[in-house]
Amino acid sequence: ILNVEQSPQSLHVQEGDSTNFTCSFPSSNFYALHWYRWETAKSPEALFVMTLNGDEKKKGRISATLNTKEGYSYLYIKGSQPEDSATYLCAFSGGYQKVTFGTGTKLQVIP
Amino acid sequence: DADVTQTPRNRITKTGKRIMLECSQTKGHDRMYWYRQDPGLGLRLIYYSFDVKDINKGEISDGYSVSRQAQAKFSLSLESAIPNQTALYFCATSDSQGDEQFFGPGTRLTVL
Repeated sequence: ILNVEQSPQSLHVQEGDSTNFTCSFPSSNFYALHWYRWETAKSPEALFVMTLNGDEKKKGRISATLNTKEGYSYLYIKGSQPEDSATYLCAFSGGYQKVTFGTGTKLQVIP
Repeated sequence: DADVTQTPRNRITKTGKRIMLECSQTKGHDRMYWYRQDPGLGLRLIYYSFDVKDINKGEISDGYSVSRQAQAKFSLSLESAIPNQTALYFCATSDSQGDEQFFGPGTRLTVL
């Protein structure tokens, strides 16, 4: 079983604060790293798929970076809004072709 | 219409009953997955299929079986349900290795 870890497990931030979370994954047999956003009572939806070391992706106020050599990815949210409240999942796709999910970081943005 | 659908959306059953959860997709993807979600444990892979003739066990396949009836359909069965199989079950699809997965709406299963 591959080890994909996310930290912190949960956090509360004030509206307007910027925040970031970490995903660590095996540094060998890397194929892709996914970030998903999972709102309560909905299904996970993909934010980013990252494949190259040094990749940086951005969608609005959310961005992500990737370091495959050391096995970590950061997700950043700039100027958090209440609608950003969700669980953020990362998922590692390795050489064995299946995807392993982390347990997620639950973000609560307080108005 | 949703690209990935699951039926039923909610099910309550009793210990020992056989249950089938169904997943259909209109995305034309070859790859389909079944996950279960438990609080604090994230999404754990039960079974996955890369095409109709290719089915693989995931990390928690014991007590479950699957059937890939067609490219668009992937069913999960609990042969004899037990209470610790109470969970939220998600079906997902993807196009090829490394591509994002598209999730169905989930099936909430309660085994009494």
